[in-house]
Amino acid sequence: SAVISQKPSRDICQRGTSLTIQCQVDSQVTMMFWYRQQPGQSLTLIATANQGSEATYESGFVIDKFPISRPNLTFSTLTVSNMSPEDSSIYLCSVVQGQDWGANVLTFGAGSRLTVL
Amino acid sequence: DAKTTQPTSMDCAEGRAANLPCNHSTISGNEYVYWYRQIHSQGPQYIIHGLKNNETNEMASLIITEDRKSSTLILPHATLRDTAVYYCIVRGGNAGNNRKLIWGLGTSLAVNP
Repeated sequence: SAVISQKPSRDICQRGTSLTIQCQVDSQVTMMFWYRQQPGQSLTLIATANQGSEATYESGFVIDKFPISRPNLTFSTLTVSNMSPEDSSIYLCSVVQGQDWGANVLTFGAGSRLTVL
Repeated sequence: DAKTTQPTSMDCAEGRAANLPCNHSTISGNEYVYWYRQIHSQGPQYIIHGLKNNETNEMASLIITEDRKSSTLILPHATLRDTAVYYCIVRGGNAGNNRKLIWGLGTSLAVNP
């Protein structure tokens, strides 16, 4: 399965600033996703990062707050904009290899733990 | 994707088998059952998945009932390193129409010495 590197692994940021999280995969992948995991909660899908086009956002998430880039099949970034303490979470990059969505494994990065003061 | 129901927490003695149940009574015919686990401060890790038949790999066994409405993840000889949150999810269909996975809160498994 794919190996995912996420940077930064953790960061402490000031309110009102923005942070960009990088996700690098060691092989080309079909689909890339960004998840959020708030303290004590399960995973929530933010968006699907589409190669060469705008990301597809889930309900409750908007491009102005979480702009996403995916310039190629191995790399994506998620920016958390104008941060507030409520954005303190673990942000996870996830990928699927192969065309058969149902039968293929989701592989996750280790996550980026963000604390907003 | 179908919704799953799991116990909030379970305990297991080290060296014994851990049996984690999952109910997915609304599963549809093309949906796979997946199990992941998340060790503290790490990303979720894939364990095993299946469609109809029981499956076994180096990590665990997956037993799916004949009607596919429930399944059990079996860790045959639990170790302290198996302490984690275990998520059961069902997934299938066209990626374009069915991307959002409902993860739930999973089962927090504590393996005790």
